[in-house]
Amino acid sequence: QVQLQQWGAGLLKPSETLSLTCAVYGESFSESYWSWIRQPPGKGLEWIGEIDHSGGTNYTSSLKSRVTISLDTSKNQFSLRLTSVTAADTALYYCARALPYCTSAGCRGGRFDPWGQGILVTVSS
Amino acid sequence: ETVMTQSPATLSVSPGERATLSCRASQSVFNSLAWYQRKPGQAPRLLIFSASTRATGIPARFSGSGSGTEFTLTINSLESEDFAVYFCQQYNNWPWTFGHGTQVEIK
Repeated sequence: QVQLQQWGAGLLKPSETLSLTCAVYGESFSESYWSWIRQPPGKGLEWIGEIDHSGGTNYTSSLKSRVTISLDTSKNQFSLRLTSVTAADTALYYCARALPYCTSAGCRGGRFDPWGQGILVTVSS
Repeated sequence: ETVMTQSPATLSVSPGERATLSCRASQSVFNSLAWYQRKPGQAPRLLIFSASTRATGIPARFSGSGSGTEFTLTINSLESEDFAVYFCQQYNNWPWTFGHGTQVEIK
């Protein structure tokens, strides 16, 4: 059974860099996609991006200039880095495995299962 | 992007009763729709994918239906452990998007 455990700094100042890591237990990086999702207070969930086993990434357009998702296969971990944070980046951040969803246009992560426990990141001066 | 609208925002139900939750997409997502359950302090859990397929280990009292733009999650004979927030997610139109959730509370 796959389990995800995430950690990282929960309090940042504006302009700092958010850094979160998610450890994967019970599966090596194979055919799945490894994703980050966030939920700002009072708002809906927002997909941030994903990385596949070969290191290929996809990001949401609104964060693309500031976000990097990377993979460390030796540690079975993947990470999120978001630069130049502002109060708008305050959110509950989740890591999740996305199972492949393939169409004629190619494959991406589709449904998310499982999820990490979430970590609240607050940006405040 | 595809906007997912869930209704109602809050649903008050007595244990043993049925809960019916709605999720509407602003454009067709065919059957690429998932439902999740989230309890306070816990990781969200996948309940349903492909609109109507139960995920591994999900009790039969949970069922999903619909296609295109209208979807329903039905929870039959609610148990105490089912009181939680439920949200839907489409994975047909990039970028994937989520609904804001329905809080199922004890009546």
